[in-house]
Amino acid sequence: AQSVTQLGSHVSVSEGALVLLRCNYSSSVPPYLFWYVQYPNQGLQLLLKYTSAATLVKGINGFEAEFKKSETSFHLTKPSAHMSDAAEYFCAVSKTNAGGTSYGKLTFGQGTILTVHP
Amino acid sequence: GAVVSQHPSWVICKSGTSVKIECRSLDFQATTMFWYRQFPKQSLMLMATSNEGSKATYEQGVEKDKFLINHASLTLSTLTVTSAHPEDSSFYICSARSGGNPGNTIYFGEGSWLTVV
Repeated sequence: AQSVTQLGSHVSVSEGALVLLRCNYSSSVPPYLFWYVQYPNQGLQLLLKYTSAATLVKGINGFEAEFKKSETSFHLTKPSAHMSDAAEYFCAVSKTNAGGTSYGKLTFGQGTILTVHP
Repeated sequence: GAVVSQHPSWVICKSGTSVKIECRSLDFQATTMFWYRQFPKQSLMLMATSNEGSKATYEQGVEKDKFLINHASLTLSTLTVTSAHPEDSSFYICSARSGGNPGNTIYFGEGSWLTVV
């Protein structure tokens, strides 16, 4: 079974400050990991994904995440927060098998609401 | 880039009626689509995997006779909530895989708000 734990349901930062959203995963097989952003009353937008290539993954809007197998973590960071970054962020893990047929079935974390103060 | 579209975005229906939600991949063929449900202030929970030309695979605890899924073409999957009740009110969102290989991008639709009164 797979699971994702996002530490902190709410994170508040000042504009220009570092953003750090934490995600730890549990998976019996090498995982594929994702970060999505959800603005109010909207769908999900992919920020970045880890699919067993480089452990440091760069995404859109200045976000990046580092896959650390030893820590089973995939934390999301951004050096300088903007007001437009205020949203809910979801970490997700996808199970894979030899044929990849399970790919796409995502298990989501509980989400972290990011608030950015002026 | 690839886009997945859902329709309707908002729907209100009376208790006991059925409502259909469409999920379309606009510029790629999606042999597999996924349906999720998100209750207010909660995370997304996978309901079922929709496979083109075959029966959907439902997650444990999801009533397949209540949530009918049809994936009639490579670009369209539909979710029909039958005999809807107020507890079915939720945000329903679909996703589509742009290919069968691990690493292919998974795109989400904009979601559909269902309110049952």
